[in-house]
Amino acid sequence: GESVGLHLPTLSVQEGDNSIINCAYSNSASDYFIWYKQESGKGPQFIIDIRSNMDKRQGQRVTVLLNKTVKHLSLQIAATQPGDSAVYFCAEKRGNQFYFGTGTSLTVIP
Amino acid sequence: DAGITQSPRHKVTETGTPVTLRCHQTENHRYMYWYRQDPGHGLRLIHYSYGVKDTDKGEVSDGYSVSRSKTEDFLLTLESATSSQTSVYFCAISPLAGESEQYFGPGTRLTVT
Repeated sequence: GESVGLHLPTLSVQEGDNSIINCAYSNSASDYFIWYKQESGKGPQFIIDIRSNMDKRQGQRVTVLLNKTVKHLSLQIAATQPGDSAVYFCAEKRGNQFYFGTGTSLTVIP
Repeated sequence: DAGITQSPRHKVTETGTPVTLRCHQTENHRYMYWYRQDPGHGLRLIHYSYGVKDTDKGEVSDGYSVSRSKTEDFLLTLESATSSQTSVYFCAISPLAGESEQYFGPGTRLTVT
């Protein structure tokens, strides 16, 4: 069946290093791909999105890469800080609906 | 949280009882969504609304109904709660069709015993 947002469940990085969080998807009909951050006990927070016709988009300290050939999405966080510790989800938007992955828990080691 | 509140924040109820969760926004956004979040599943869309009295089903809509009589309020009702509906429920809002930004509320933790 169709799958979306396959994540590695956990990732640990040293403070100051760059983090790369990966996501795989199977449906090519998505309009947007989106990354969210969720801290414990809170709702998800929008980080950055990318249209399906783009390959790369940069934000403040974050970069999203989209490889449609292998159906892979990644979020790069530069100079990771303790405040970046959270669960990160990728999501796809198709029409009016959003489909979320299961998330990667990022732990930043001081 | 971008002007979104959810009530109640926590609720414990018994199997078979009706439950209504409320989402209230002050952003005047057109689109509103209800999701549930369970371990191992990520967020799954239950229902969404694209305007007053305009709603549609998401991927896990069975056992849930919604209503939107005002722009600012989106209600989720469990007509007869079951233990499988124990979950954390999130409301989200989005301003425009064709855009991807969603803003989430703080969530409601529902336990059905």
